[in-house]
Amino acid sequence: QKEVEQNSGPLSVPEGAIASLNCTYSDRVSQSFFWYRQYSGKSPELIMSIYSNGDKEDGRFTAQLNKASQYVSLLIRDSQPSDSATYLCAVSGGSNFGNEKLTFGTGTRLTIIP
Amino acid sequence: NAGVMQNPRHLVRRRGQEARLRCSPMKGHSHVYWYRQLPEEGLKFMVYLQKENIIDESGMPKERFSAEFPKEGPSILRIQQVVRGDSAAYFCASSKDRDTEAFFGQGTRLTVV
Repeated sequence: QKEVEQNSGPLSVPEGAIASLNCTYSDRVSQSFFWYRQYSGKSPELIMSIYSNGDKEDGRFTAQLNKASQYVSLLIRDSQPSDSATYLCAVSGGSNFGNEKLTFGTGTRLTIIP
Repeated sequence: NAGVMQNPRHLVRRRGQEARLRCSPMKGHSHVYWYRQLPEEGLKFMVYLQKENIIDESGMPKERFSAEFPKEGPSILRIQQVVRGDSAAYFCASSKDRDTEAFFGQGTRLTVV
């Protein structure tokens, strides 16, 4: 079982719709959860971080965390063509709360269709 | 405020040569992380350093790879006697503290020919 799993996609969403990206993780003691966006040939860009159960909203982005189900998701409202990218879920933690040793999923490729 | 700076952006080495990748963290950041991304694969953790200390090198291959973060100057990832399988994008990230968000540099794309 992979430590962090994501559906590789591609996920196609019409412009203006909600894009829903999902991620599951295997280490129950994980503490910190991040979503990064990576355009082709570019570096990962931090989109959201979430540390406690529930929802966290930032503009058009909402991260959702459910530690009991070991599940974290990212919703993108009013999707724009510029949102087309690969979205990486990353998890860290363990015995210490912190962001060392981020474990990444392989990413979900999102395409917004105009 | 400049972000995480990596150089060179592209590096070509022949098999058997040495590769040196540099990373200057963001101003005020003392924690540095190196990751490797192979084509069509996810980012894999290699090593975590603070100034003058290696904190976690559990993702680093046992041979040919080394990393340092001296008191002065950038962090260096060194790969000796490169092989074709070392061809990848190497990303550096930095953070202010252990429990704050990490920001990535633009990466160094190493090609071994």
